[in-house]
Amino acid sequence: ETGVTQTPRHLVMGMTNKKSLKCEQHLGHNAMYWYKQSAKKPLELMFVYNFKEQTENNSVPSRFSPECPNSSHLFLHLHTLQPEDSALYLCASSQEWVDYNEQFFGPGTRLTVL
Amino acid sequence: SQELEQSPQSLIVQEGKNLTINCTSSKTLYGLYWYKQKYGEGLIFLMMLQKGGEEKSHEKITAKLDEKKQQSSLHITASQPSHAGIYLCGAGDSGGGADGLTFGKGTHLIIQP
Repeated sequence: ETGVTQTPRHLVMGMTNKKSLKCEQHLGHNAMYWYKQSAKKPLELMFVYNFKEQTENNSVPSRFSPECPNSSHLFLHLHTLQPEDSALYLCASSQEWVDYNEQFFGPGTRLTVL
Repeated sequence: SQELEQSPQSLIVQEGKNLTINCTSSKTLYGLYWYKQKYGEGLIFLMMLQKGGEEKSHEKITAKLDEKKQQSSLHITASQPSHAGIYLCGAGDSGGGADGLTFGKGTHLIIQP
């Protein structure tokens, strides 16, 4: 247990569906992240939120829409996805220090787009 | 942007043997993070290195950062089945702050009994 939970753990959706991934951290951290892990590719950063404000969007298509209502919760809203969006989506959190950025990861949501 | 190359991509080691995984950066590393991932699960933090020549150990795992801060190695002594998984190195653009990390593709480690 890392203190970061993600739901659901598995999700199957059609290309016309709308779904949301949820992430919650119980560590009192101020920063939260979404990463995408596809087969045979490095883990890719998608979004960064710091004190609820989005500080980084790594050229992610608009069919992925993040939401961070507070420092403990992070959502990823999905709509009209493509089969190539099938991947493991990982959420992470960290406490912002001057010279240290250990990120704590959740177990991930395995997404399959049909 | 920073790129991290990991080698080898996969490794099969007999239980009890030692092994080394390498991570090479295209730029100077401000902070190098080693994580372990069980297949299909989240990442578990192992160690973080910042200073050139730094070395850290935890149980049977030792990580080093070279003096030029562009290469890191992870060494496992007397490997056990519990060491199996994917080892990932990650780096930030700066030492700290709320930066996303750039990761290598990972090294798949299999331990043979």
